[in-house]
Amino acid sequence: EVQLVESGGGLVQPGGSLRLSCAASGFTFSGYNMNWVRQAPGKGLEWVSYISSSSSTIYYADSVKGRFAISRDNAKNSLYLQMNSLRDEDTAVYYCARGGVRISGVDVWGQGTTVTVAS
Amino acid sequence: QSVLTQPPSASGTPGQRVTISCSGSSSNIGGNTVNWYQQLPGTAPKLLISTNNQRPSGVPDRFSGSKSGTSASLAISGLQSEDEADYYCAAWDDSLNGYVFGTGTKVTVL
Repeated sequence: EVQLVESGGGLVQPGGSLRLSCAASGFTFSGYNMNWVRQAPGKGLEWVSYISSSSSTIYYADSVKGRFAISRDNAKNSLYLQMNSLRDEDTAVYYCARGGVRISGVDVWGQGTTVTVAS
Repeated sequence: QSVLTQPPSASGTPGQRVTISCSGSSSNIGGNTVNWYQQLPGTAPKLLISTNNQRPSGVPDRFSGSKSGTSASLAISGLQSEDEADYYCAAWDDSLNGYVFGTGTKVTVL
């Protein structure tokens, strides 16, 4: 079964840091581009970041550029999101998502992990 | 503020046809493919339409997508109660160098 399982969410103070992880299984992780997508409480979807299968291409949304860093370890079938200088507006459910967003879209989603930024 | 605009809501009775529009620009819909996602209450989104009009395996043929110029549409034929959900369009934006989602449309089955 194709599966993505996020972890690492929690409560953090403004200005703090958090590292999200996503464990992939059921498919050849190294052959797929990956993304992080978030959804603030009661709001719509917001794409956060993209990383190609070989990590050679990385993109970020303007809202997180310079603060967040996406990475992957194909040997461990894992995707990561290092989040620094967190702000209140970063509070959201963060989804790990498989797919090439430039053409075919995101075809597999994790269940999400909740990040709450509050003092 | 999303660059892809959708109506906030749409509704219909069981069996009716509902259409959701998605308006963008030359830097996103006009030059790239459109995907549509369905998000049932309390769940992760699901890819509904890929590459403008392709249904992934398992998606009923009641769902169809189309694109013309800088706009796209999702049609749901034979509306069913289980179609009650939020629907989002999305496309790559060459100006932003990022993937943009639409504002979302909540579909209600009356």
